[in-house]
Amino acid sequence: EPEVTQTPSHQVTQMGQEVILRCVPISNHLYFYWYRQILGQKVEFLVSFYNNEISEKSEIFDDQFSVERPDGSNFTLKIRSTKLEDSAMYFCASSATGPYGYTFGSGTRLTVV
Amino acid sequence: SQQGEEDPQALSIQEGENATMNCSYKTSINNLQWYRQNSGRGLVHLILIRSNEREKHSGRLRVTLDTSKKSSSLLITASRAADTASYFCATDAGNTDKLIFGTGTRLQVFP
Repeated sequence: EPEVTQTPSHQVTQMGQEVILRCVPISNHLYFYWYRQILGQKVEFLVSFYNNEISEKSEIFDDQFSVERPDGSNFTLKIRSTKLEDSAMYFCASSATGPYGYTFGSGTRLTVV
Repeated sequence: SQQGEEDPQALSIQEGENATMNCSYKTSINNLQWYRQNSGRGLVHLILIRSNEREKHSGRLRVTLDTSKKSSSLLITASRAADTASYFCATDAGNTDKLIFGTGTRLQVFP
């Protein structure tokens, strides 16, 4: 069964450093998303991406965050200068049909120290 | 409460028993989905129910939706230890394609 692949599975970074979280969506999907889940809390929407541009972003997705689809297969989330409160599990998802058929990746656990 | 509040927050049952989890939401929806998350792992899609549906089954899962009460329930019948996980409801948000997740129910099934 096709799956969304995220790397790395766990990343530890120092506060103030830049991190790039990588995702390989399902190949024929057109909609891409990032969500995050702070430990013990609910899953929160960060950003959606369609047709090579951001279609929606949450208030969490401030200027420190950016997304890119640098080639035909990868979808990345960059956090420019990490803060302690960025520590969370970050999930990538892709869909062929918008909100009706999401497939989530297994997540990247980001720990900012 | 926020969109997608679930109760109970935690549920412990014995294998073979049924587990019922509830989700309430505040705004109109097009569909409601249920996801499962094993501890520290990814989200697995379980079932989607559209706003014009009242009940849906998938294996041991039964989902109901009451749009007049803005609530949904997930029933897992004949639970197994392997069903131990957190379960989240998620709703669409009107004309956008983002999902709004509930707070989740942590289910523990004891063998």
